[in-house]
Amino acid sequence: ETGVTQSPTHLIKTRGQQVTLRCSSQSGHNTVSWYQQALGQGPQFIFQYYREEENGRGNFPPRFSGLQFPNYSSELNVNALELDDSALYLCASSWRDRGETQYFGPGTRLLVL
Amino acid sequence: EDQVTQSPEALRLQEGESSSLNCSYTVSGLRGLFWYRQDPGKGPEFLFTLYSAGEEKEKERLKATLTKKESFLHITAPKPEDSATYLCAVQDTGGSGGGADGLTFGKGTHLIIQP
Repeated sequence: ETGVTQSPTHLIKTRGQQVTLRCSSQSGHNTVSWYQQALGQGPQFIFQYYREEENGRGNFPPRFSGLQFPNYSSELNVNALELDDSALYLCASSWRDRGETQYFGPGTRLLVL
Repeated sequence: EDQVTQSPEALRLQEGESSSLNCSYTVSGLRGLFWYRQDPGKGPEFLFTLYSAGEEKEKERLKATLTKKESFLHITAPKPEDSATYLCAVQDTGGSGGGADGLTFGKGTHLIIQP
């Protein structure tokens, strides 16, 4: 069984640029959720994708957007990067159901200068 | 709005010294409560899912319990390799945790086990 994978592992961008992060879900899972984790904080929910559509969003502005592909992999896009966007971005996959556990990938560390 | 508060923020124990971590939560309806372990710079590793008050789950030196307002993660005779940040998260039946199935996390308890 293949776990959740993310790419790239690290990324450095400058303020105002755009970035795309990628996630491959665990085999057998059809739902992908994205989280932002600032240093010393718990992860914060950005949004979730199910059947290639956004299925709920946290308190993040529209410049955070995403996609899910037919193979259930996903992308997180962030436009007009700000310094506060520097964080660990986590992807989690699950099988959509009541209380189904979300399994996390290793994360992408983004630094905005 | 869902809320999760974990205590203590940090805990330093001697090897073999048992203790408990607390997770207090507020949700309109609990779909599930989750415990994760996170090592520095890595993604959270799943430990337990609890669904209803009174439920308990165990794995090696860890045992998680759930009441209607809080959950405890009991660590028995810990070893240095148990050092990590332990995260608690809830999933709300009403989706008020930020989305239909988004998890609301606490800030975590940073646990250090000294040899």
